[in-house]
Amino acid sequence: QVQLQESGPGLLKPSETLSLTCTVSGYSISSGYHWGWVRQPPGKGLEWIGFIYYSGSTSYNPSLKSRVIISADTSKNQFSLNVISVTAADTAVYFCVRGVDVWGQGTLVTVSA
Amino acid sequence: EIVLTQSPGTLSLSPGERATLSCRASQSVNENYLAWYQQKPGQAPRLLIFGVSSRATGIPDRFSGSGSGTDFTLSISRLEPEDFAVYYCQQYGPSPWTFGHGTKVEIK
Repeated sequence: QVQLQESGPGLLKPSETLSLTCTVSGYSISSGYHWGWVRQPPGKGLEWIGFIYYSGSTSYNPSLKSRVIISADTSKNQFSLNVISVTAADTAVYFCVRGVDVWGQGTLVTVSA
Repeated sequence: EIVLTQSPGTLSLSPGERATLSCRASQSVNENYLAWYQQKPGQAPRLLIFGVSSRATGIPDRFSGSGSGTDFTLSISRLEPEDFAVYYCQQYGPSPWTFGHGTKVEIK
């Protein structure tokens, strides 16, 4: 059974860097699929952030592209999200996703002074 | 970027009724890379349908997807109490992948 689990700080100050890691069990991230991130501000809809393909190529939401990097550590079977210069608008539940079918439970990140 | 427009925003129905949700794309969705999700409060989205009409593992057959090109539909044949939730469509063809804004199915 494939499982994804997000981890990382839940509270950040404006201008800091958001760093989250998704640990994957039950499937090797180097074997296939897109490995992505989606976020959901409180009370709002889903926003696609981007993905890293198993081959290493990446794709990002144009609205976030200048601030986002997604990377992978195949030795740990993890992939990560970094968002620089966060503001209150980055407050959201962040989900990691395998393709479209397997989602992590999500982690709330709050940006507040 | 493909913009997905879902309608209606809210659907008020009774258990046992049929629900029909619409997702319209601003341009044709390549190779039918269109998915539907169900989300309940405090939970991650749950994949219902992928490839326009294929049910994900464990999804009851009262859920069905249809459509092509730019117009897609999620149908729930007979609403069960656990089906009242928010539903999102997503296209996962050309990047950037995009989501619709959701349709809330509420109890009438």
